[in-house]
Amino acid sequence: QITLKESGPTLVKPTQTLTLTCTFSGFSLSTSGQHVGWIRQSPGKALEWLALISWDGDKRYSPSLKNRLTITKGTSENHVVLSMTNMDPVDTATYYCTHSGALKDFDYWGQGTLVTVSS
Amino acid sequence: DIQMTQSPSSLSASVGDRVTITCRASQGIRDDLAWYQQKPGKAPKRLIYAASSLQSGVPSRFSGSGSGTEFTLTISSLQPEDFATYYCLQHNSYPPAFGQGTKLEIK
Repeated sequence: QITLKESGPTLVKPTQTLTLTCTFSGFSLSTSGQHVGWIRQSPGKALEWLALISWDGDKRYSPSLKNRLTITKGTSENHVVLSMTNMDPVDTATYYCTHSGALKDFDYWGQGTLVTVSS
Repeated sequence: DIQMTQSPSSLSASVGDRVTITCRASQGIRDDLAWYQQKPGKAPKRLIYAASSLQSGVPSRFSGSGSGTEFTLTISSLQPEDFATYYCLQHNSYPPAFGQGTKLEIK
């Protein structure tokens, strides 16, 4: 059974860097066809895709946020880390970690973590 | 980038009604489309993948159809637990894109 869980700060100040960790189980990111990604949702708004890392190390980013995002495999085999620089209040959102398989849609989601950007 | 136009943005319906939600892609995406249901405070849940395949465990009153640029999600007979927000997702090419959502409310 695949599970994912996000962790990180709930409050960050403007201009700071946000670092979120996705801890997952039930699959290996070293196995062909597996991907882990991040999606966010501002309060009352639609879903916005942010980034994805694949089993082979390939990384993809939202074009509008590419300059601020970095996605990496964590030091442990079941972790993926997302960093977002220069946080702004408009980045206040629930951030979700997701799994993708061969279809590359998002079949499993974490519960989400609400990040508030405020001074 | 491919844009997804979802309609309607909101919909009022009654238990037992048949409802249809539509997504239109700005260019052809074959059947690389999924539908999600989201309830308040919860993560989205995949209902349909590959445009028309029902996710395991999802009731058969949910169905999806379409290919290319036009897609629909149909709920054949609304149940109380179906009142939620629904999103389509194209994953044919990067960046993946969601529709703006359809909020299904009780009439």
